[in-house]
Amino acid sequence: EAQVTQNPRYLITVTGKKLTVTCSQNMNHEYMSWYRQDPGLGLRQIYYSMNVEVTDKGDVPEGYKVSRKEKRNFPLILESPSPNQTSLYFCASSLYAAFNEQFFGPGTRLTVL
Amino acid sequence: SQQGEEDPQALSIQEGENATMNCSYKTSINNLQWYRQNSGRGLVHLILIRSNEREKHSGRLRVTLDTSKKSSSLLITASRAADTASYFCATGGSGGSNYKLTFGKGTLLTVNP
Repeated sequence: EAQVTQNPRYLITVTGKKLTVTCSQNMNHEYMSWYRQDPGLGLRQIYYSMNVEVTDKGDVPEGYKVSRKEKRNFPLILESPSPNQTSLYFCASSLYAAFNEQFFGPGTRLTVL
Repeated sequence: SQQGEEDPQALSIQEGENATMNCSYKTSINNLQWYRQNSGRGLVHLILIRSNEREKHSGRLRVTLDTSKKSSSLLITASRAADTASYFCATGGSGGSNYKLTFGKGTLLTVNP
């Protein structure tokens, strides 16, 4: 089944404790991206990747890192999480770019205390 | 600031009625996409309309695009309780980038049985 998976689905952590949210897709998509969703603000793009080893900042990249060492994986790294990064995070992938249909993962609900 | 803005923010209708949601955007685009999100879950792609198209249909969905007014509408005909969800427009290729997808804040549609 074609899908985007994220892990963990739920995470409660404390300020400053490094964490990684994994994202994997099995559709051989070149384009992957991360979004955060906050009440009243909609979805905002954090980072995106056009292909292996090629990444760029979205609209809200501060406090996040990404890497794309393999085509199927695009982890999101929070080196020193803060409470303002409490949010619902979504990973998405598409064939080539933003103008293709995006396939979304199920989301990761992160709480930073 | 957000590229796409949906209107209204919330819409409540009876089953069987039609629902219309609007999206306005600010800069030139390659395409405009509509997504549905059931409460707290991942987004699901509904329909994509390219900048050189004016209207597109998919089942009970009808999307229009007016690039002169920088606006789009999503019409759901003969609505069902299962259509209850948040609906987002997303603009691709905004600001000359093919790799950024910008979402609006969404319209929450409630279809009452």
